[in-house]
Amino acid sequence: DIQMTQSPSSLSASVGDRVTITCRASQGISNYLAWYQQKPGKVPKLLIYAASTLQSGVPSRFSGSGSGTDFTLTISSLQPEDVATYYCQKYNSALRIFTFGPGTKVDIK
Amino acid sequence: EVQLVQSGAEVKKPGESLKISCKGSGYSFTSYWIGWVRQMPGKGLEWMGIIYPGDSDTRYSPSFQGQVTISADKSISTAYLQWSSLKASDTAMYYCARSYGGYDYWGQGTLVTVSS
Repeated sequence: DIQMTQSPSSLSASVGDRVTITCRASQGISNYLAWYQQKPGKVPKLLIYAASTLQSGVPSRFSGSGSGTDFTLTISSLQPEDVATYYCQKYNSALRIFTFGPGTKVDIK
Repeated sequence: EVQLVQSGAEVKKPGESLKISCKGSGYSFTSYWIGWVRQMPGKGLEWMGIIYPGDSDTRYSPSFQGQVTISADKSISTAYLQWSSLKASDTAMYYCARSYGGYDYWGQGTLVTVSS
C-alpha cells in the first residue's frame, strides 16, 4: 500500500512570504496527486489536481509541481486568508484508491 | 450548479446501526465516482472508500473494509455510508465528495456522535 508523507507538519510564515509544502509517496504515482485546503471548521477545497493543474477559481499564487514520488505545493505570496491545513492526496485511476497525506498546518507569523 | 447535500447530524449509542446519505444534483450522478472521507475530531482526512453509482462498483480503504458499507441508489441520485454496529471511535465528521481529477465537489459533512 502506497503511503503519503508531508513536510513540514506545520509552519508559520509572514504575509507575503513564499511557502513550500512537500508531499512524498512511498512509490511512484506518476502525476496522480491532488492538493486540498481546509480552513478551520470548513469543508476541504480542491486546489490542484494532476500534480500541477490549478482548479478553476483558485488564486494563481497557488501552484503545484512534481511527478513520481516527490511533489510540492507553493504559495507564492502568503495571504491571511491562506491560514489552513493543506493535504495532499494520491489517486490511482485504475484502482480508485485515494490516500491522503497527514496534512500541513499553515499559520501567519 | 453541482451540489452534494448530506443528511443531518446524528447522535447514536454504541452498538446501534446508522445510514447517512449524500444526494447529488446538477450533474449526471451516474457518471462520476463518489467518495467518502472521515475526519475525526482535531485530526486529518482519511479516505474510506468510493462508489461508481452507474454500476455500484465499490472500493474500500483497507482500514475501513468490513467496518462500513458504501452503497448508492442511482434512481434518486443518492450515495450512502452505513454502519451495522457503531463504536465510540466512529465519532467523526463524514464527508462525501465527487471524484473528477481529485475531489472537486464536497458535501457539507455529516457529524456522527457515538456516545453512551
